[in-house]
Amino acid sequence: ETGVTQTPRHLVMGMTNKKSLKCEQHLGHNAMYWYKQSAKKPLELMFVYSLEERVENNSVPSRFSPECPNSSHLFLHLHTLQPEDSALYLCASSPTGEGVTFGSGTRLTVV
Amino acid sequence: GENVEQHPSTLSVQEGDSAVIKCTYSDSASNYFPWYKQELGKRPQLIIDIRSNVGEKKDQRIAVTLNKTAKHFSLHITETQPEDSAVYFCAADSNYQLIWGAGTKLIIKP
Repeated sequence: ETGVTQTPRHLVMGMTNKKSLKCEQHLGHNAMYWYKQSAKKPLELMFVYSLEERVENNSVPSRFSPECPNSSHLFLHLHTLQPEDSALYLCASSPTGEGVTFGSGTRLTVV
Repeated sequence: GENVEQHPSTLSVQEGDSAVIKCTYSDSASNYFPWYKQELGKRPQLIIDIRSNVGEKKDQRIAVTLNKTAKHFSLHITETQPEDSAVYFCAADSNYQLIWGAGTKLIIKP
């Protein structure tokens, strides 16, 4: 384990479902991130939280809703997704001004 | 905003030869430049990084060089081995985040 734990590892959901992805970091970092990685567009930054405040939202559709209750936990709430949202969703954390440490990712399939 | 371009998108080298991947960036305020390796089905992992006060950094078979004037940095892998096959990403820091290159798929031919 790298210190960033993501659950679930795999998720299949219908377009009308609501699900949540969970991320937990044990590294004492003060920033957390959600990335989307698909076959055609690697590593798209979705959201950034620094000291529990959202500081970046890269024009992500509202069907993705992040939540950061504290500096160690990050959630991504999903509802009414589309098939094109199928991808690997990576959580990451970092200290300020340093490289990120990624979790293992959630492989999401929307059917 | 910051833009990072990475070349080539695919690189095929003979085992034992060297591989070089290049990145350019646009934000002159960037000071931190990491490189990540992503093996098939796994998460990206940091393999080496460099800060703007250093021109070169080496760790065994991998090295990174930085030219701040020209705004480009490169990853060098010597004596390539089959386990070097992966996708490599460069990045540059900008505000609260890293701006990523599009990735280079490195193929090591036996």
